[in-house]
Amino acid sequence: QVQLQESGPGLVKPSQTPSLTCTVSGGSIRSGGYYWSWIRQHPGKGLEWIGYIYYSGSTYYNPSLKSRVTISVDTSKNQFSLKLSSVTAADTAVYYCARASPATGTMSFDYWGQGTLVTVSS
Amino acid sequence: QSVLTQPPSVSGAPGQRVTISCTGSSSNIGAGYDVHWYQQLPGTAPKLLIYGNTNRPSGVPDRFSGSKSGTSASLAITGLQAEDEADYYCQSYDSSLSGHVVFGGGTKLTVL
Repeated sequence: QVQLQESGPGLVKPSQTPSLTCTVSGGSIRSGGYYWSWIRQHPGKGLEWIGYIYYSGSTYYNPSLKSRVTISVDTSKNQFSLKLSSVTAADTAVYYCARASPATGTMSFDYWGQGTLVTVSS
Repeated sequence: QSVLTQPPSVSGAPGQRVTISCTGSSSNIGAGYDVHWYQQLPGTAPKLLIYGNTNRPSGVPDRFSGSKSGTSASLAITGLQAEDEADYYCQSYDSSLSGHVVFGGGTKLTVL
């Protein structure tokens, strides 16, 4: 059973560049076949896809966030990470990591972490 | 404004059948891309409920079913139970500037 666990700072100041990490257990990122994703949910709002990465390092980002987002992977630690630059209060959200499966040709997210709340405040 | 449009809320009594619609366009659902559905219980992470328009992952009751036609998709829940009260999201792919992955705005299901 694949499990994902997010970690990172709960509180960050405006203009900072927080980093979140997702640790994967029960399966190897290096085995391929899946994409490793970040999705966020603003308080009381819907889901917003941030981007995903393949084990090889290929990345795909939401165009609306692309200029501020960097997703990287560390296969030796079975982890992938998200950096979001120049954060503002509008980036306050629960951040989820998830596994994206291309099983049907269109990515679906079949395993999710529990989510971590990032609050941007001075 | 979400690329995929869902009703903000639906409701039904225990035992009833409810449907949740997800309306897209020619650049996403209408282009032939699959639709997936997620259930988010209060305070928890979303859970994959339906993938590839009609398929249920292992462990999902057959009370949940999905369909797709043209530029829309639907999630149907039969034999409504109190535990089904949750937020439901549809998701697909969009080939326009919206980006690879798009979600609906979510529908709050209330079991009366």
